[in-house]
Amino acid sequence: AQSVTQLGSHVSVSEGALVLLRCNYSSSVPPYLFWYVQYPNQGLQLLLKYTTGATLVKGINGFEAEFKKSETSFHLTKPSAHMSDAAEYFCAVSDHGRGKLIFGQGTELSVKP
Amino acid sequence: GAGVSQTPSNKVTEKGKYVELRCDPISGHTALYWYRQSLGQGPEFLIYFQGTGAADDSGLPNDRFFAVRPEGSVSTLKIQRTERGDSAVYLCASSLTSGGETQYFGPGTRLLVL
Repeated sequence: AQSVTQLGSHVSVSEGALVLLRCNYSSSVPPYLFWYVQYPNQGLQLLLKYTTGATLVKGINGFEAEFKKSETSFHLTKPSAHMSDAAEYFCAVSDHGRGKLIFGQGTELSVKP
Repeated sequence: GAGVSQTPSNKVTEKGKYVELRCDPISGHTALYWYRQSLGQGPEFLIYFQGTGAADDSGLPNDRFFAVRPEGSVSTLKIQRTERGDSAVYLCASSLTSGGETQYFGPGTRLLVL
């Protein structure tokens, strides 16, 4: 069965600092991997996704993630945090071609001025 | 264009009552998904439709939960004999197909069972 583990339920960084949100997955088939962001009282918005091909994926708002098969990881990074990045971030995995998403438990990102 | 919409945005009901939650997917999207998100948790898969048929209902917690999509567009999630433990945000998403395409989420319906 597939699963996703997000290390750290809460991450706090200073404005301008590096953001690193960790995600490890378990999958018996080549996975599709996703990062979604959820702002308070809003729906989930896709940040980026990996399906096949280039392992470094660039998303919206300056975020990027690298698929590392050997480490079964898909960590999310952003070089310089902005106050508007404060939100809940979810990593998710899906079987190739099966559709449903398996989500991690989420990481709440706080950005200090 | 319009995104995924869900109605109602909030629903308060009493234990034992029946509720229906509605989802309007993005026009042209053949796949539709239901998830449930409890406080402080990630969304949990319930069921997904490809067209009118339920392709995978393995996430439905028990037979009190049922969903339909009779014309391959709008879907309704139905919960019978609600319990306090059913309180959560119910999320709907749609995608062009079910083959790993991006899922676009609606704002959710917040269900509170008293």
